[in-house]
Amino acid sequence: DTAVSQTPKYLVTQMGNDKSIKCEQNLGHDTMYWYKQDSKKFLKIMFSYNNKELIINETVPNRFSPKSPDKAHLNLHINSLELGDSAVYFCASSQGAGQYFGPGTRLTVT
Amino acid sequence: DAKTTQPPSMDCAEGRAANLPCNHSTISGNEYVYWYRQIHSQGPQYIIHGLKNNETNEMASLIITEDRKSSTLILPHATLRDTAVYYCIVSEDSNYQLIWGAGTKLIIKP
Repeated sequence: DTAVSQTPKYLVTQMGNDKSIKCEQNLGHDTMYWYKQDSKKFLKIMFSYNNKELIINETVPNRFSPKSPDKAHLNLHINSLELGDSAVYFCASSQGAGQYFGPGTRLTVT
Repeated sequence: DAKTTQPPSMDCAEGRAANLPCNHSTISGNEYVYWYRQIHSQGPQYIIHGLKNNETNEMASLIITEDRKSSTLILPHATLRDTAVYYCIVSEDSNYQLIWGAGTKLIIKP
């Protein structure tokens, strides 16, 4: 009964490729997020999204785009992957107290 | 930048109480104090949050000073599985984008 799930867990790809990471939550939460955790282990918010509003962290390149087919899903599309995109990406959801995180997707760009 | 300051690391003996401090001297009146932890290679986990009053749940207790400029997370009987990085974050609401600092690396020793 995983509350927030992500696929794939690992993703290895070459520079220039386009890839997607999927996120699903079964908690009935209204708000979902994408975070990036780099090699120095700092967590940085990339996007937050609910039915009405997408908030984008201004530091996120426009090669990254979230797409939400429905309230339970927030997928992350990345175009023209670069070496610096290598990181662990976490999806999260919230409604009220606390954000609930997925297990992460480790993206390696070669 | 994160609005909180935490010691980079702490040790605690297994079975003892772990007390993790956090300074948030610029906290505003409508901001909550949230605590999360991240066990190695896992997604962050929500622990507890509070506004003014002390809070307790099945995981931990949160003590907030009267002036709200600092707080302490207490794990009453630490186990080896509590070894993790603990993050203290101030935010108006869990649905907001959280700004994460470096956290405190807590090591529980047998």
